[in-house]
Amino acid sequence: DQQVKQNSPSLSVQEGRISILNCDYTNSMFDYFLWYKKYPAEGPTFLISISSIKDKNEDGRFTVFLNKSAKHLSLHIVPSQPGDSAVYFCAAISSNDYKLSFGAGTTVTVRA
Amino acid sequence: NAGVMQNPRHLVRRRGQEARLRCSPMKGHSHVYWYRQLPEEGLKFMVYLQKENIIDESGMPKERFSAEFPKEGPSILRIQQVVRGDSAAYFCASSPHLSYEQYFGPGTRLTVT
Repeated sequence: DQQVKQNSPSLSVQEGRISILNCDYTNSMFDYFLWYKKYPAEGPTFLISISSIKDKNEDGRFTVFLNKSAKHLSLHIVPSQPGDSAVYFCAAISSNDYKLSFGAGTTVTVRA
Repeated sequence: NAGVMQNPRHLVRRRGQEARLRCSPMKGHSHVYWYRQLPEEGLKFMVYLQKENIIDESGMPKERFSAEFPKEGPSILRIQQVVRGDSAAYFCASSPHLSYEQYFGPGTRLTVT
């Protein structure tokens, strides 16, 4: 059972524009959400996170929005840069747990 | 400060052979987690270990798979009698304490022919 879903397998965006990645979850026990970035032949690296007590968290060009009632979160990258081309995974967890639940990932391609 | 190390990076095994995947956590980290990524899917939790202890193996297939994290040396994920369905990327992560803030290694890509 897929508790975290990323319904868009790929996204192509022009350099300088906004990238918006979406993620939905089904488990109401999740109260912490993370985005990971993964380059080919490397492991996922932590990008940004958000607790369920917040609805927005910002770190430089990256902003994560959380809509608890809709069980939906999104990652905004502004402006998109060529180095942002990678696979982005959404992950969720209960704060008293350690098992991260991952979505299938969205491959972002930033066009020059 | 070296990150999480995994070896080999690529492993090819014939059906029925054994696969051994190694993971050296970051220095100072005593908690190790293994995840598996099947094609077109996200990473899925397999097992959580501390030194000399398996804490949670709820994500491990019941047969053929085992994991250990000895007092000395790397954590090892062992798959006996591999089948084609075992072909996947296996990622190890570590943390200094029980945490969702896990640092991932580069993964081992297992191909079963």
